[in-house]
Amino acid sequence: EPEVTQTPSHQVTQMGQEVILRCVPISNHLYFYWYRQILGQKVEFLVSFYNNEISEKSEIFDDQFSVERPDGSNFTLKIRSTKLEDSAMYFCASSEASGLSSYGYTFGSGTRLTVV
Amino acid sequence: QKEVEQNSGPLSVPEGAIASLNCTYSDRGSQSFFWYRQYSGKSPELIMSIYSNGDKEDGRFTAQLNKASQYVSLLIRDSQPSDSATYLCAVIRWNGGATNKLIFGTGTLLAVQP
Repeated sequence: EPEVTQTPSHQVTQMGQEVILRCVPISNHLYFYWYRQILGQKVEFLVSFYNNEISEKSEIFDDQFSVERPDGSNFTLKIRSTKLEDSAMYFCASSEASGLSSYGYTFGSGTRLTVV
Repeated sequence: QKEVEQNSGPLSVPEGAIASLNCTYSDRGSQSFFWYRQYSGKSPELIMSIYSNGDKEDGRFTAQLNKASQYVSLLIRDSQPSDSATYLCAVIRWNGGATNKLIFGTGTLLAVQP
């Protein structure tokens, strides 16, 4: 079964450092998303991406965040200057349709980001 | 008012029983409804999707949707200890854009007792 692949699985970084989280969506999917889940809290939408541009972003997705699809397979989330409150599990997701289908979104296994 | 509300639980049921998980949503414009299962430290895994009022069955799982009451539920028949997880209700509201985000509830923790 096709998978969304995320690397690394766990990243520890010092406050103020830049981090890049990487994702390889399912190959025939066109819509890409980043979500995050702070420990013990709900899964929150960060940003969606389609046709090489951001389609929608949440209030969380401020100027410290950026996304990129540098080639035909990778989808990255960059946090420019990490804060302690950025510590969370970050999930990449992809879908072949815009959501109004039975397939929903397929989530990657996540990257646990710990900011110290 | 939260967009998607779930009882956080834990909901404890004996093995073999029916587990009933409930979810309400606030936006009547919501059009697509999903149940995800999330094991501790893992990513959400899609179990069921439903779009029309009524019931939808898939194996041991039945999703129920009542748009008038803004209510979605998930029934798990013959519950197994391996079903113990957090069940996330999620909705999509069509916003006219190219993408439509999933809005999650906080999840209900289900514990199936052997």
